[in-house]
Order: sequence, then C-alpha cells, then structure tokens
Amino acid sequence: AQSVTQPDIHITVSEGASLELRCNYSYGATPYLFWYVQSPGQGLQLLLKYFSGDTLVQGIKGFEAEFKRSQSSFNLRKPSVHWSDAAEYFCAVSPSGGYQKVTFGTGTKLQVIP
Amino acid sequence: DAGVIQSPRHEVTEMGQEVTLRCKPISGHNSLFWYRQTMMRGLELLIYFNNNVPIDDSGMPEDRFSAKMPNASFSTLKIQPSEPRDSAVYFCASSFHDGSGNTIYFGEGSWLTVV
Repeated sequence: AQSVTQPDIHITVSEGASLELRCNYSYGATPYLFWYVQSPGQGLQLLLKYFSGDTLVQGIKGFEAEFKRSQSSFNLRKPSVHWSDAAEYFCAVSPSGGYQKVTFGTGTKLQVIP
Repeated sequence: DAGVIQSPRHEVTEMGQEVTLRCKPISGHNSLFWYRQTMMRGLELLIYFNNNVPIDDSGMPEDRFSAKMPNASFSTLKIQPSEPRDSAVYFCASSFHDGSGNTIYFGEGSWLTVV
C-alpha cells in the first residue's frame, strides 16, 4: 500500500529565508505526487503536482518541488518565505493508474517569524 | 468557475441527532471524495465515488455513517446517530478522472461539533 511521510511536524523560519519541507513516499512504481496548502479555517489548495516528465515542478505562490526517484522524495521548496506562507502543508501520493486513491501525509505546520 | 460547494459550513448538534452534510462537486468532474480531518488522525478518506457509484467505502467508520450520490452534481454524508467523537471537519472534494492523472479540488469544509 502507498504511504507518505512528512517527518517535520512543525517548522519555523524567518521571513525572507529559504524553505524546504520534506516528503517521502512509499509506492511500488512511479506515483502521482501533490503538495497542498491549508490555511486556518480553510480547505486544501493545490500548490503543485507531478505526474510525469520534468522532475522539477513549479507551482503557485513561488513554490517548487523536485521528484527524486532514487530517494523516494518530493520535497517542497521556496527561495524566500513571506509571512503569508504560514499555513499547514500536506504532501500526497496516488497510484499512476486505475483507482486513484490519494493518500495524504500528516502535514507540516509552517510558522514564519518577522 | 465555482469550486466545490459544501453546506453547512458550521454545525453544532447534540449527541444522538442526525447530521447531513451536503456537497456540490465541480461541474464536469466525475469523481467525488469525502474526507474527515481531526487533530488526532489527520486527513482520512471516508468514501470515494466515481460516476456516482461508490468505489471505495473502506474508510467509513461504522454503520452510523452513510453517503449517497444520487446524481453527478450532489452528494450527502449522513451521520445517524451522531456522537461527540464525530466532531471534525468534513471535506468534500472532486476531480475528473480519466485514467491519466487527476487533481483533487477541495471544498471549504463542514465544521461539525457534536456536544
């Protein structure tokens, strides 16, 4: 069965600093991978996704993620964090065919300090 | 385009009462998901519909929970009778699944409190 691990529950960064959120997945083949963001009291919004092709994926709000098959990772990055990026971030994985059950990680809460 | 629409946004009910949550998926989407989010268990898939047919309901906690999708533009999640441990945020999400990859779009959630 597929699974997703987000090893960091909370991360605090200074505004303007770079950010990397970690995500590792377990799946027998190349999966589909997603990053979602959830602001307090809101639903989940898609930041970016990887289905195939270029392993460096650009998303909204200046985020990017890189799929590394050898490390089973899909880490999310942003070169300069803004205070408005404070939220919870979820990595997700689904099979690349058939019934596409999406499995979410436990999330990483990002705090941004001035 | 309108996103996934859920109602009610907030509900407070007494233990033992019936709760019905409603969802209108994005027009043209053929897959619908109900998720539950709690601090303890995170985001859990309750049930997945494809073309209005339940495909995977293995996440439905128990017989008190039921979900229906009578047509492509409407779904309900019902809890009867409700219990305090059902307090959570319930998300409806939809996608277009054509076998080559899909993206799930979430509603704003229904915040349920059972007292």
